[in-house]
Amino acid sequence: AQSVTQLDSHVSVSEGTPVLLRCNYSSSYSPSLFWYVQHPNKGLQLLLKYTSAATLVKGINGFEAEFKKSETSFHLTKPSAHMSDAAEYFCVVSDTSGTYKYIFGTGTRLKVLA
Amino acid sequence: GAGVSQSPSNKVTEKGKDVELRCDPISGHTALYWYRQSLGQGLEFLIYFQGNSAPDKSGLPSDRFSAERTGGSVSTLTIQRTQQEDSAVYLCASSLAPGNQPQHFGDGTRLSIL
Repeated sequence: AQSVTQLDSHVSVSEGTPVLLRCNYSSSYSPSLFWYVQHPNKGLQLLLKYTSAATLVKGINGFEAEFKKSETSFHLTKPSAHMSDAAEYFCVVSDTSGTYKYIFGTGTRLKVLA
Repeated sequence: GAGVSQSPSNKVTEKGKDVELRCDPISGHTALYWYRQSLGQGLEFLIYFQGNSAPDKSGLPSDRFSAERTGGSVSTLTIQRTQQEDSAVYLCASSLAPGNQPQHFGDGTRLSIL
């Protein structure tokens, strides 16, 4: 069975400081992992994906995430927050067993302070 | 290229009326998903299509909800005899294949039941 846990429902950072959004997953098979961002009144936009290639994945807008199998984690980071990064972030797990299901985390709302 | 398109973007209707929500997926994407997102909440899975078939309808909240997909392309989600609790944002997503391919989301239809 698959599951995903986003450890923080809200994160606040100051502009220009690092961002860390935490995600832990559980999967019986080799997982595919995704991070999405949702701005107000918009759909979800793909930030990055891990599908069993390099464990450090670079995405759009300066975000990256590292797949750590031993810790079953896929945390999202960015070195320097920008005001435009304020949004809701979702961690998603699927797997390579042929399932069609995507399991969504409950989301982390990122606030960026001026 | 063109992304996932949903229409209408906003729909306001009276309780008891029927509504149809449309999703135009990315060309060539065989998998199509409908989700519901209530205010400040995560995503609730409604239904999954592979081609024109719906192998999983388990997320449809009641028999007032139905969906179809024609030509392996456009999908329509229909809600009959709408209730106030149906008010939410309805998101559609498509992917090249289910599982380890990323989903691409439309901007959603914001449904308000008066």
